[in-house]
Amino acid sequence: AQSVTQLGSHVSVSEGALVLLRCNYSSSVPPYLFWYVQYPNQGLQLLLKYTTGATLVKGINGFEAEFKKSETSFHLTKPSAHMSDAAEYFCAVIISYNTDKLIFGTGTRLQVFP
Amino acid sequence: DAEITQSPRHKITETGRQVTLACHQTWNHNNMFWYRQDLGHGLRLIHYSYGVHDTNKGEVSDGYSVSRSNTEDLPLTLESAASSQTSVYFCASSERAGLSYEQYFGPGTRLTVT
Repeated sequence: AQSVTQLGSHVSVSEGALVLLRCNYSSSVPPYLFWYVQYPNQGLQLLLKYTTGATLVKGINGFEAEFKKSETSFHLTKPSAHMSDAAEYFCAVIISYNTDKLIFGTGTRLQVFP
Repeated sequence: DAEITQSPRHKITETGRQVTLACHQTWNHNNMFWYRQDLGHGLRLIHYSYGVHDTNKGEVSDGYSVSRSNTEDLPLTLESAASSQTSVYFCASSERAGLSYEQYFGPGTRLTVT
């Protein structure tokens, strides 16, 4: 069965510092993986996704993630944090390819300090 | 611009009352989903639909029902509200399964059951 683990429910960084949000997955089929961002009092918005092909995926707002099959990981990074990056981030894995159903991790809240 | 809307944005109700949360999308998407978001649990799938007159149970469907009479709407009904159903509810939609896999989320409804 598919599952997602996000290590660290809260991550704090200084503005300009590297952002690293961790996601590990378990999947019985080759995984399709997603990162969503939720700004305060808003719905979720897709940051990036990995389905097939290149394992380093670039998304919006300067974020990227690398699919590492050997480590069953899909960590999200950004070289330099900005105050506007403060939000909650969710990693998700697809349950099956013909349903679009997702399993979400429990989320990581990113705080950015000036 | 296409969008997905939810109403009401905030609702307070009493235990035992029937409550209906509305979800309307203008993307013309086949798939629609209802999630609840709770601290420590991330997003959990309540019900979903792949088209008109199609509905399916998700992982936390007890006490909830949906119906799909047209493409645009998927209302979520709490038959007899319980305090355990206090949560933030998100509706999402996606194209026909197996295309982009991206889900588009509404802004959420915060429901309090007293």
